[in-house]
Amino acid sequence: GEDVEQSLFLSVREGDSSVINCTYTDSSSTYLYWYKQEPGAGLQLLTYIFSNMDMKQDQRLTVLLNKKDKHLSLRIADTQTGDSAIYFCAEGRGSTLGRLYFGRGTQLTVWP
Amino acid sequence: EAQVTQNPRYLITVTGKKLTVTCSQNMNHEYMSWYRQDPGLGLRQIYYSMNVEVTDKGDVPEGYKVSRKEKRNFPLILESPSPNQTSLYFCASSPPDQPQHFGDGTRLSIL
Repeated sequence: GEDVEQSLFLSVREGDSSVINCTYTDSSSTYLYWYKQEPGAGLQLLTYIFSNMDMKQDQRLTVLLNKKDKHLSLRIADTQTGDSAIYFCAEGRGSTLGRLYFGRGTQLTVWP
Repeated sequence: EAQVTQNPRYLITVTGKKLTVTCSQNMNHEYMSWYRQDPGLGLRQIYYSMNVEVTDKGDVPEGYKVSRKEKRNFPLILESPSPNQTSLYFCASSPPDQPQHFGDGTRLSIL
C-alpha cells in the first residue's frame, strides 16, 4: 500500500461536497477503485474506473482520473452524515493480476 | 445471495496455537485474496489465488499459509500465531480483472 497515497482525514459540513484525493505510482494500473468502510464493518465497493477513462459519475459520486499525474479523486456531492466512514483508494495493476494495492484510507467526518 | 463468508468473525487465542480462518464464496469467482488491516496502515495483501491450486504471496505473507483445493474455499492458516498477527482480516473474491467483493472480516487477537 505504500505506493498509494491518501490524506488521512477530511471534515466537511452536511450538504457540502467532499473531495477525497489519491495518488498512485504504477502507470500500468488497469482499474482504480474506491471502497467505503463504516465502523465495525467490511469494505463496500463504491465505484471504480478503468484506466482509459477520465471520469465516471454515479448519482452523488464523481470519480476523476488524471493518468498523466497518476491522480484519482472521489467527489461526494451533498454529503450526508451517513457518508461518514473511511474511504480507501485501491489500484489493480496489469502486471500483477489478482493483486490490489490499497492506500491507508481517508477518514471522512461529516458535521451536521 | 452472493456473498463471501468468513469464519470465525472473532477469535481470541494464545501464541503458538494453530488456527484456521475459513473463507467461502458462492459466486464461482476465480480470484480470492486475504488481507490484513491494521490502524494507520490500510489493507495489506497476505496471499492471493488466481484459481484452484494457484496461489502466490502478497506483501506480508510471513507467518501465514493458504491453500486452494476447491474454487469456493480459500482458508488462511496460522501455524504458530504470534501477537504481531493480531489484526482484522478480510477475505475477498472476484472474477478476473473485476472489483473484489469482501467478506465482513475476522478480528483475531493473539495473546
